[in-house]
Amino acid sequence: DTGVSQDPRHKITKRGQNVTFRCDPISEHNRLYWYRQTLGQGPEFLTYFQNEAQLEKSRLLSDRFSAERPKGSFSTLEIQRTEQGDSAMYLCASSLALAGGQETQYFGPGTRLLVL
Amino acid sequence: AQSVSQHNHHVILSEAASLELGCNYSYGGTVNLFWYVQYPGQHLQLLLKYFSGDPLVKGIKGFEAEFIKSKFSFNLRKPSVQWSDTAEYFCAVSLYGGSQGNLIFGKGTKLSVKP
Repeated sequence: DTGVSQDPRHKITKRGQNVTFRCDPISEHNRLYWYRQTLGQGPEFLTYFQNEAQLEKSRLLSDRFSAERPKGSFSTLEIQRTEQGDSAMYLCASSLALAGGQETQYFGPGTRLLVL
Repeated sequence: AQSVSQHNHHVILSEAASLELGCNYSYGGTVNLFWYVQYPGQHLQLLLKYFSGDPLVKGIKGFEAEFIKSKFSFNLRKPSVQWSDTAEYFCAVSLYGGSQGNLIFGKGTKLSVKP
């Protein structure tokens, strides 16, 4: 399978714990996005990388959240001191950004986080 | 701030009925437009996209969408739905030519097709 993969698929944690999620994009894609989706809502943008550079962060991304994409391949999203409000589906998407702005994002299966 | 509105939260149809799901966006500039579908238990999949050119775009599984610039709309249509079309449908927008390609999604429309 050459699609976007995410690990773990499910995570249950206690409030105050730290969690880390991993995303492996489609191999030739240079952009990687993180989104968060809560019940009844569409995905909301959190942050994105072009190669290894993190170029944009949403105001939704509090200072408890950090993301990395070392070497421009896989990415990790860490949430420190989790809160119940962090419970959501965390989605990763990747794309090949070309000149002209015609870019299509492909999504992974997501990591469902439940904070107790 | 840009936003995307999907008119219907839940649509229930019988098989063979025609489908139209509304999507409007608020942004005065040039946009890229997408419809994604999420089947039960599966991840978001691209249904169709519009970048430029013919405003009527065709996607997978017999779906099509029409971009009407004057109405800021990108409605999804299918002439005859099947039970297997039961899913949640998301309209999304990104800014054309922008250095940042993040998608702005609507809240989604859940489609239930009765056999």
